[in-house]
This record gives sequence, C-alpha cells and structure tokens, in this order.
Amino acid sequence: NAGVTQTPKFQVLKTGQSMTLQCAQDMNHEYMSWYRQDPGMGLRLIHYSVGAGITDQGEVPNGYNVSRSTTEDFPLRLLSAAPSQTSVYFCASSYNLPASSGANVLTFGAGSRLTVL
Amino acid sequence: SQQGEEDPQALSIQEGENATMNCSYKTSINNLQWYRQNSGRGLVHLILIRSNEREKHSGRLRVTLDTSKKSSSLLITASRAADTASYFCQGGSEKLVFGKGTKLTVNP
Repeated sequence: NAGVTQTPKFQVLKTGQSMTLQCAQDMNHEYMSWYRQDPGMGLRLIHYSVGAGITDQGEVPNGYNVSRSTTEDFPLRLLSAAPSQTSVYFCASSYNLPASSGANVLTFGAGSRLTVL
Repeated sequence: SQQGEEDPQALSIQEGENATMNCSYKTSINNLQWYRQNSGRGLVHLILIRSNEREKHSGRLRVTLDTSKKSSSLLITASRAADTASYFCQGGSEKLVFGKGTKLTVNP
C-alpha cells in the first residue's frame, strides 16, 4: 500500500499565486486532515474532513480551502499565496473518526515544503 | 488552543540514559497517542493508551496516563542516538491537534 501520498514535495510560489497541494490515501480512511508545521510551532490543524462531502475548519483555516469529493482525495488550495504561508504541510488520515471510541491513529504523508516569495 | 502540550520543549541526554517527556491535555479523551518525528519527515505513530488504561509498554517505551490530572508521560529507556527526534502527544477528541513537541537529543 502507498499509504498517504502528497504532491508536490517542494514548491516555490510568488505572492498572490494560487496552487493546490494534493493528498491521496489508499487505505479507505474516512478521516483526513491538513497540518502546517513552522519552526518552534509544532503542528497546527488547518482543515479536516470526516468523510466525502464533509469538511470543517481547524485551528488556522484562513487563506486555505479544501474539498472532499471522494474518500481518497483531500486537496488543499491556497487561493492567493502570502509569505506567511511558507511552511511544511502535512496531510494525515485515520480509519476511525476522532470522536469515536476506536483508535484514531493518524498516518502521515511525507510532507510538502512550500516557499512563498 | 492546543489539546496536547509537551514538556520539556527540549531534552538532551547521553546514550544509555532514560528520557521522560510529559504531556498535558485540556478536554476529556477516549485515547491518547504519542508520535515521533525525525527531522523533516512526517510523524510516525508510536503508542496509544486508552482512557481506561493507566500504563502501557511497548519495547523500550512506557506510557502512563492520569485522566484525573489530564496528563501523560512517555519514558524511553536505555536511549540510543537513533532516538533523536521530536516527540508529540495527541489526545483523541473532535479535532486532532498537537502541541509543540519535545525535541530529544541523544548524544553518543
């Protein structure tokens, strides 16, 4: 199994440009999420989804859009990139939903390093 | 607000010593998990402890959970240089958020 696949691994944008970070999982996980990680800040939750057609905001959603048209894919869109969005982005998925009694073990992708000039 | 807050933020020890990291969380949880992150890579799940458990072992890892204090600890025994990484806790709740982690350095 491929697990969680993120593309691209590296991207450089100019301020104001838009782009989409792709995330795909082949484990039939219902829960998917996006995090950003900045030095000394740990991981911050951007958006998450508990199933196809359902998305919700995390801790730092501004400047980002998501959609979940299929169980497998959860793309993250930057509408108008800003230097403050320079970060490493991680996609993660889990079989069980967070509020369930089951173990919601997250499987992470390898990360996408984004630089906005 | 962050569901998991690790302490200390950084820890440096010699190979062979034990490393203890602590985590505090704010809301009720069904389970709590510890993850490890090697530099520049995604997080990898280490161990899960359920809310009705007090202690759990896995190899050189020992996790404790005190739901009355909303805290957990991760003990790595007989540390190795390869244990050098950042460690994060995460409490299972509606939003799976993380703290800033503990950066562990094990010196050979």
